[in-house]
Amino acid sequence: GEDVEQSLFLSVREGDSSVINCTYTDSSSTYLYWYKQEPGAGLQLLTYIFSNMDMKQDQRLTVLLNKKDKHLSLRIADTQTGDSAIYFCAVKGGNQGGKLIFGQGTELSVKP
Amino acid sequence: DGGITQSPKYLFRKEGQNVTLSCEQNLNHDAMYWYRQDPGQGLRLIYYSQIVNDFQKGDIAEGYSVSREKKESFPLTVTSAQKNPTAFYLCASSPGQGNQYFGPGTRLTVT
Repeated sequence: GEDVEQSLFLSVREGDSSVINCTYTDSSSTYLYWYKQEPGAGLQLLTYIFSNMDMKQDQRLTVLLNKKDKHLSLRIADTQTGDSAIYFCAVKGGNQGGKLIFGQGTELSVKP
Repeated sequence: DGGITQSPKYLFRKEGQNVTLSCEQNLNHDAMYWYRQDPGQGLRLIYYSQIVNDFQKGDIAEGYSVSREKKESFPLTVTSAQKNPTAFYLCASSPGQGNQYFGPGTRLTVT
């Protein structure tokens, strides 16, 4: 079945850029998402990209999509301690209605 | 004040008891979803409903049941048949096949 993979941990210094990577297997994916989860909370939709786009920028967030390699990344510029959270990549397949397939989540730790 | 609410935030039950988790939304979304989250794993889809009075099994439906009698409500019952019910349960809703928005979650502990 469809699969979405992320590395589990990333540690950066405050002020540095963070890059969280995600790979997926479903080439018919239409929308690709990044969600943020703070401890004990639900998921917050950060940003998303449509499969016919290569890049999307929203303030400190930059999403890059390499459709050929089925690779999605989220870059957070000027990372702050408040960015410490788990970040989930999710993809919506072309043949799955509204269903999302989630990665395992990447725990971002920002050190002062 | 629109959004998705889940109650309660923490729930404790004894093994062998059924328990129902509440999910309500006032966003006028047609579709609603239930996910389960375990440590170190992504979210796994339990059940989803794209319209009132209709719902479909997700990837891990065994031991769970749902109903969708009203557009704004999608309760999940964790039955005694669910072998490992202790988890964090997340409800989401979306306007049709649009973006999914999540509630705050319910942490269920079964002992």
